[in-house]
Amino acid sequence: EEQLVQSGAEVKKPGESLKISCEGSGYTFTNYWIAWVRQMPGKGLEWMGIIYPGDSDARYSPSFRGQVTMSADKSISTAYLQWTSLKASDTGIYYCARRKNGDLDFWGQGTLLTVSS
Amino acid sequence: QSVLTQPPSVSGAPGQRVTISCTGSNSNIGAGYDVRWYQQLPGTAPKLLIFGSTNRPSGVTDRFSGSKSGTSASLAITGLQAEDEADYYCQSYDTSLNDVGVFGGGTKLTVL
Repeated sequence: EEQLVQSGAEVKKPGESLKISCEGSGYTFTNYWIAWVRQMPGKGLEWMGIIYPGDSDARYSPSFRGQVTMSADKSISTAYLQWTSLKASDTGIYYCARRKNGDLDFWGQGTLLTVSS
Repeated sequence: QSVLTQPPSVSGAPGQRVTISCTGSNSNIGAGYDVRWYQQLPGTAPKLLIFGSTNRPSGVTDRFSGSKSGTSASLAITGLQAEDEADYYCQSYDTSLNDVGVFGGGTKLTVL
């Protein structure tokens, strides 16, 4: 079964760093882009960027460039999303999804991030 | 402000037909990019509903259909059922965004 499994919920303080993960299985992880999508509380979906695990080519939406870093470790079929200094406004659910032919054809279960002092 | 514009909400009675619009511009839908639609049931991850503007993935009921014309697209749902109550998002690409996608703001469907 093709699936993406994300790391668990996080509670962090402003200024802290964080790296969340997205592990793929059931398909060739290096052949497809992984997209990261944010959903702030009660709000819509925002496309943050994409990363190609085969060569770690990463492309960011203008709104997220410089705010987060995407990376991947193809040896363990895992993509990552990283913050160096969290803000309260980073609170939300973060989804990874596989991109196939431009479609986000299946998604991880989401990682809930709460940033609060 | 999303690049793709959707109505915030639509509603319909069981058995009725509803449509959800997605309005873009000449740099996204009008540039020839296909539109996708995703369904997000409460408390769950989004699910691909329509791809290639008009195609359904295996397992998606034919009560859902997609269309595209010019700079806009639409999702139609026929035979409305209570289980269809969810948020729906359109998604496409834009010539200005280097292969990164864009979503519409989302539409909340209420089944009366």
